[in-house]
This record gives sequence, C-alpha cells and structure tokens, in this order.
Amino acid sequence: AQSVTQLGSHVSVSEGALVLLRCNYSSSVPPYLFWYVQYPNQGLQLLLKYTSAATLVKGINGFEAEFKKSETSFHLTKPSAHMSDAAEYFCAVSESGANSKLTFGKGITLSVRP
Amino acid sequence: GAGVSQSPSNKVTEKGKDVELRCDPISGHTALYWYRQSLGQGLEFLIYFQGNSAPDKSGLPSDRFSAERTGGSVSTLTIQRTQQEDSAVYLCASSSTRYNEQFFGPGTRLTVL
Repeated sequence: AQSVTQLGSHVSVSEGALVLLRCNYSSSVPPYLFWYVQYPNQGLQLLLKYTSAATLVKGINGFEAEFKKSETSFHLTKPSAHMSDAAEYFCAVSESGANSKLTFGKGITLSVRP
Repeated sequence: GAGVSQSPSNKVTEKGKDVELRCDPISGHTALYWYRQSLGQGLEFLIYFQGNSAPDKSGLPSDRFSAERTGGSVSTLTIQRTQQEDSAVYLCASSSTRYNEQFFGPGTRLTVL
C-alpha cells in the first residue's frame, strides 16, 4: 500500500520568497514520485517526477524537489516565488516500473503576496 | 499535439439519473486512468486500463460505477442512478511512458441535484 502526507492545507509566501511545500510518502515498494500543479478550473499539470535516477529533480517553472529515502520525503522548492505560482499543488506516489495508478496527497494551496 | 480531452465539461443531473462521461486520451497512449476529485475526499483513483489487459477496477466506489474503453482509445465512465455524493470533478489521464508520466484532461464537473 502507498500513501502521501502533505501537512497543512495552505501556505502563503511573499513574492520573491522561498517556496517550500512538504511531502512525505509511504511505500512498500520502490516508488516513483510526482508533483502536480492545478490552476483554478483546470486539470493537473506535471511539474516534475522522480524515477530512481538523480535524487535532485528539476522541473518546469523553476521548481525542484529532492528525494530523500531516509526521510521518506520529496519536498518541493522554488528559490523565488512569483505571483503566477499561486495554485494548488499535489504530491503523488506510484509503484516504480510501468504504468500504475497514482496515489495523491490532499494538496496544498499556495498563495503569493505582492 | 492534442492533449487529453473530456466531455462534457460540465454536467448537471437529477438524483437517480444515469450519466456518461467521455475521455479521449492522447493518441498512442496505452494506459488510461479515471480519477475523482471532491472537496471531502481529495483525488481518488477509480479505474485503470492498460492495453488489452483486464482493467483495474479497485477504486470504483460502488457497482453503480462502470467504465469501458473501446478500441484501446476512447473511454466512457458511466454512473447509474446518480446520488448527491457523486458530485465531483471526474478527471481522466493517459500515459505511455515507462515512467508513468500521466497527462490529465481538464475534467468533467458533475453536479447531482
């Protein structure tokens, strides 16, 4: 069984500040890990993915995440927040290998203050 | 290229009616998934099709829910005798990579009155 924990439901940062969104996972098998972003009334867009290659993963829009097996974490960061980053962010886990279902965390809403 | 498309974008129905939701995956993608997004439950897996294999129906919440995928392409999710708790956004995704990169459609917002 797999699960994802995203603590808190809302994070607010100032424009230009560091963005840190936390994700912890539980998996009985080697996982693949993903971060998705959802803008209002839109579907999910993949930001980045960990697939057992490099532990530091770079994604779109300046986001990156680091896989830490010892901490079972996959936190998402961005050095400098932009107003356009305001959205809901979901961490997800799946089994490694070929296609399989995603198990999502509950999501975190990011607000960016001017 | 074209992404995953879903129709209708919005559906309002009365309790007890049947509804059909359609998903057109990205051409050539062998895997197709349905998820449900609701305020109370977050994002939940419903069903998964992979090529000609038997679908993984482990996420379907009741026997009122069913889905089919014709010709390895278009999929239809059917909800019979809709209930108010079925109100949610139904998301479809498709994938064709060994790394399980799923591409999502815009969703169908279902409201059951």
